[in-house]
Order: sequence, then structure tokens, then C-alpha cells
Amino acid sequence: QVQLVESGGGVVQPGRSLRLSCAASGFTFSTYAMHWVRQAPGKGLEWVAVISYDRSNKYYADSVKGRFTISRDNSKNTLYLQMNSLRAEDTAVYYCARERRGPMIVVVIDYWGQGTLVTVSS
Amino acid sequence: QSALTQPRSVSGSPGQSVTISCTGTSSDVGSYNYVSWYQQHPGKAPKLIIYDVSKRPSGVPDRFSGSKSGNTASLTISGLQAEDEADYYCCSYAGSYTLGVFGGGTKLTVL
Repeated sequence: QVQLVESGGGVVQPGRSLRLSCAASGFTFSTYAMHWVRQAPGKGLEWVAVISYDRSNKYYADSVKGRFTISRDNSKNTLYLQMNSLRAEDTAVYYCARERRGPMIVVVIDYWGQGTLVTVSS
Repeated sequence: QSALTQPRSVSGSPGQSVTISCTGTSSDVGSYNYVSWYQQHPGKAPKLIIYDVSKRPSGVPDRFSGSKSGNTASLTISGLQAEDEADYYCCSYAGSYTLGVFGGGTKLTVL
């Protein structure tokens, strides 16, 4: 069965960096686009970034553009999110998620991880 | 990237039907048939319940249905059950620049 397991969350000071990882299993990771979606405490879902199956295309929400970088290692079935210059408003649970249509990116997500909490605070 | 507009809350009694609206613009909901809906119980990850406006993934009861008219998509839940009490989010593809936009979420209370 499809499993997505995030790790790397924690408490970090404003302006610092953090890297999230997502270990995927149960499907052919290299044939699916993958997303990061976040949810601030008590708030709604916010799409953050997506990477194509072959790493050729990456897209970001305006709120993180220039600060976050999405990447993947298909040999390790792992998705990453490098977060730099973190701000208090980046505090959220970060979900790793799979694009339902595989290589075609239309932001329809069929599987989600359980999320990892990132807290940006001094 | 403005969020899609959903009512903050809706409610209904067991057995009744409720409809949750999701209003976007001609740049997202109005232009693409890639509207999806997600159910989220407290402390849990979201779950896909409707995709491509009106299609249900395997295992989702047919009590859940979706539709779209113009810039507004809708999720209807018929025969309400206690376990339907959750937060519901819509999402739309918004083109190759903005990509994806979620609604603000709707809390469904089963009375």
C-alpha cells in the first residue's frame, strides 16, 4: 500500500533553515509528481510546492518562492523540502502528497503523509 | 493566489443532505475541471473524496457527490452520518503559473 512518511520537523529560530524529507513506498515513486502542502495550526490547507516525476519542473506558491526548494531522489524514493529564511508564518504541519495523475500535474492529491510539524519561534 | 471561498461552517441532521460551495474565479474553478474535495478529521491527514469535479475514488460512498457551475463548485453529502462530521476543503488547478489553490475549509457539524 502507498505510504508517505515525513521527517525533519522541529523547532527552529526565525531566519534559520530546515530540511524536510518524505520517504515513499508502495508505488513507483519515479513516475509520480509530488507535492508539499502545509497547514498552519487551526488553519486551512495551503499548497506549497510541486516537483515533476523527473525533476524537470518545479513550481512554488508565492509565499515561499525564493526561500524554499523542492527536490527528489528517485533512487532513494525520497522527496525533500529545503526551507531557508524561515519566518513565524511558516509554522505549520507540512504534508508530503502524491499527484493522482502521476506525471501530469493538476494538483489532485490522492495520498497524503501524516505530516511533520515545523515551528518557527525564537 | 487568493484562496477559494467556502462557507466557514454548515450543519445538518443525520439522514439529511448538505451542500458546501466553493467559489473561485475564471482563472481557476471556471477554467478547469480539476476541482477536488478533501475530508479531514481532527488530527488526521486529508482524504481525497472527489476529484475532477464529480468523480469518486474507490471506496468513497456514493453519498458524496460533486458538481460545478461557472466559477463555483459544490460538494453534496446526502444521508448524513455522524462520521461525516469533519472539515472539508476544495482545491482547484489554476494554471501553469499559480498551479494549485485551496479553499479556506468548511466545518461540517452533524447535529
